[in-house]
Amino acid sequence: DTAVSQTPKYLVTQMGNDKSIKCEQNLGHDTMYWYKQDSKKFLKIMFSYNNKELIINETVPNRFSPKSPDKAHLNLHINSLELGDSAVYFCASNGWGTSDNYGYTFGSGTRLTVV
Amino acid sequence: ELKVEQNPLFLSMQEGKNYTIYCNYSTTSDRLYWYRQDPGKSLESLFVLLSNGAVKQEGRLMASLDTKARLSTLHITAAVHDLSATYFCAVDRDDKIIFGKGTRLHILP
Repeated sequence: DTAVSQTPKYLVTQMGNDKSIKCEQNLGHDTMYWYKQDSKKFLKIMFSYNNKELIINETVPNRFSPKSPDKAHLNLHINSLELGDSAVYFCASNGWGTSDNYGYTFGSGTRLTVV
Repeated sequence: ELKVEQNPLFLSMQEGKNYTIYCNYSTTSDRLYWYRQDPGKSLESLFVLLSNGAVKQEGRLMASLDTKARLSTLHITAAVHDLSATYFCAVDRDDKIIFGKGTRLHILP
C-alpha cells in the first residue's frame, strides 16, 4: 500500500493554464506539506497543513492555492501557469506526535512541465 | 532564519573508498534527517537523528550528530556503485524541514 500518493505523476501543460495536483496519505498523520524541487534539485517548502488548517505559507505566489478537504488529503491548485513553475512537486506527511517515529514520508512526486 | 549547508555538493569517488559528507545548520533544531534520492525518484528516509551524540548505521552508511557543533556527518565505508545517488540532510524546526542543497554522489566502478 502506498503511504503518500500523488497524482498525476507527470503533467505537461501550456503557459496560462490552470492545473491541480492531488495528494493522499493513509498513514493517519495530522500534518501534510507541499515541497517544490527545482531543476538544480533544491527542495523548498511551500505549504503546510495541520488537520485541515493552513499553518505554513512560505511566500508562495497566490497563483498557488492549497486545499485540504480532510486531514488525509492535500491538493495543490495552480492558476495561470508560468514557465518558472516547471519543477517536481512533492507531497509529504509528518508522523511526529503519533505512534509513527519515522518523521516525514514523501510521495513519489509530480513532474510539472510548462511549455 | 534556519540555514542548512552541505558539503561537498558533488563527489566522485572510486569503489572501495571511504568518504564523509558534512551537514552544518545555523540554529538549534529538534531533529536531523538524511535522505537519499535516485534520479527521477522520491526521497527515501535513511536516518533520523534525535539527540546529541546519536550515531546510526545501516550497511555501508553511518550518520552522526553533534548538536553543540550543529554538525551531522554521513560516512560512507567501502563505497559501491549502488550508493550513487543524491543525499540530502534536512533539519526540523517549527514543524517543517529545511533541506540542504544535496550532495550528488557518483561512485565509479
